[in-house]
Amino acid sequence: EAQVTQNPRYLITVTGKKLTVTCSQNMNHEYMSWYRQDPGLGLRQIYYSMNVEVTDKGDVPEGYKVSRKEKRNFPLILESPSPNQTSLYFCASSEQGVTPEAFFGQGTRLTVV
Amino acid sequence: AQSVAQPEDQVNVAEGNPLTVKCTYSVSGNPYLFWYVQYPNRGLQFLLKYITGDNLVKGSYGFEAEFNKSQTSFHLKKPSALVSDSALYFCAVRDMTGTALIFGKGTTLSVSS
Repeated sequence: EAQVTQNPRYLITVTGKKLTVTCSQNMNHEYMSWYRQDPGLGLRQIYYSMNVEVTDKGDVPEGYKVSRKEKRNFPLILESPSPNQTSLYFCASSEQGVTPEAFFGQGTRLTVV
Repeated sequence: AQSVAQPEDQVNVAEGNPLTVKCTYSVSGNPYLFWYVQYPNRGLQFLLKYITGDNLVKGSYGFEAEFNKSQTSFHLKKPSALVSDSALYFCAVRDMTGTALIFGKGTTLSVSS
């Protein structure tokens, strides 16, 4: 089954404690991205990757890091989480180009206290 | 800059009635438009997309969308609503570089029995 898998689904952490949210896709997609969803704001892109070792900032990259060492994996790293990073996070993957639809993971609800 | 607007935060319809969820867009160049649905505690699921061609696009679960270039709109429709259609709906446009989906703020659809 084609899918994007995120872990963990839920996470409560304390300010400043480094964390990683994993994302893996099994569709051999070149393109992967991370979004955060906040009430009334829709989804905003954090980072994206066009292929292995190629990453770039989206609209709201501050406080986040990513890496793309393998095609299937695209982890999101919060080096020093802060309460304003409390949000619902989604990983997505797609084929390259403007026409393909994106496939989304189930989401990770992060709370930073 | 490209943008998407969903003018209604919430749409309420009775089961069996037709539904419309509105979306307008602003792009330079050709619009590549998408609709996604999000059920509680789930990721976003792709419903349909407009790339080119016929202005009426058919998608999953009986949904369709009408592309109107002169009104820069891409409204989601369904002839007969089901209670199970109750969810959060997002309209999105692919940005010119193909590296991001730009989302509207979302519309909550509530279908009453």
